[in-house]
Amino acid sequence: DAKTTQPPSMDCAEGRAANLPCNHSTISGNEYVYWYRQIHSQGPQYIIHGLKNNETNEMASLIITEDRKSSTLILPHATLRDTAVYYCIVNGNQFYFGTGTSLTVIP
Amino acid sequence: NAGVTQTPKFQVLKTGQSMTLQCAQDMNHEYMSWYRQDPGMGLRLIHYSVGAGITDQGEVPNGYNVSRSTTEDFPLRLLSAAPSQTSVYFCASSLGTVVYNEQFFGPGTRLTVL
Repeated sequence: DAKTTQPPSMDCAEGRAANLPCNHSTISGNEYVYWYRQIHSQGPQYIIHGLKNNETNEMASLIITEDRKSSTLILPHATLRDTAVYYCIVNGNQFYFGTGTSLTVIP
Repeated sequence: NAGVTQTPKFQVLKTGQSMTLQCAQDMNHEYMSWYRQDPGMGLRLIHYSVGAGITDQGEVPNGYNVSRSTTEDFPLRLLSAAPSQTSVYFCASSLGTVVYNEQFFGPGTRLTVL
């Protein structure tokens, strides 16, 4: 399974867009990019996933580069409730969660 | 739908004791998994199941047993608890293979082994 690299922490002002990057340079052609988040000590929550094309849902947008070696999760209008650890996962048969990016939304 | 439920929420054990962490889902999902999360770390896969009667090891299976006799339930057994097993345990389920399907996680069981 391909591995991912994420910055350990980021801050974002409330109401602004939060852009969370992820590098996955060893991704193979049939591997999806998944994003989850974990608020405080709760169980992780699915956000979005994609293969090649950009994806958008009610929570976020996912931008995948044309060579698929990196992606960006965008929370368009961050709120205090978006403070969480965000995990970028490139999957094969199983999920391998790294340490993610700890996003702090600042009032 | 209750989703994925886990019991107990908290547990304290003494070294050498055994116990079973319960996990159940009511979404008729085929895939179920157990993860552990140590402080400041990401999740690590312990065991997983692709359907009733079928289980396999994940990244950190030592010291744990699982079985899957029904689609709904996937209990995790600690055979002889050790302090190194102090952790938060999460159960997850997905409709099918995790290659194409999102996982739904339970609220976790916080285990302390003294």
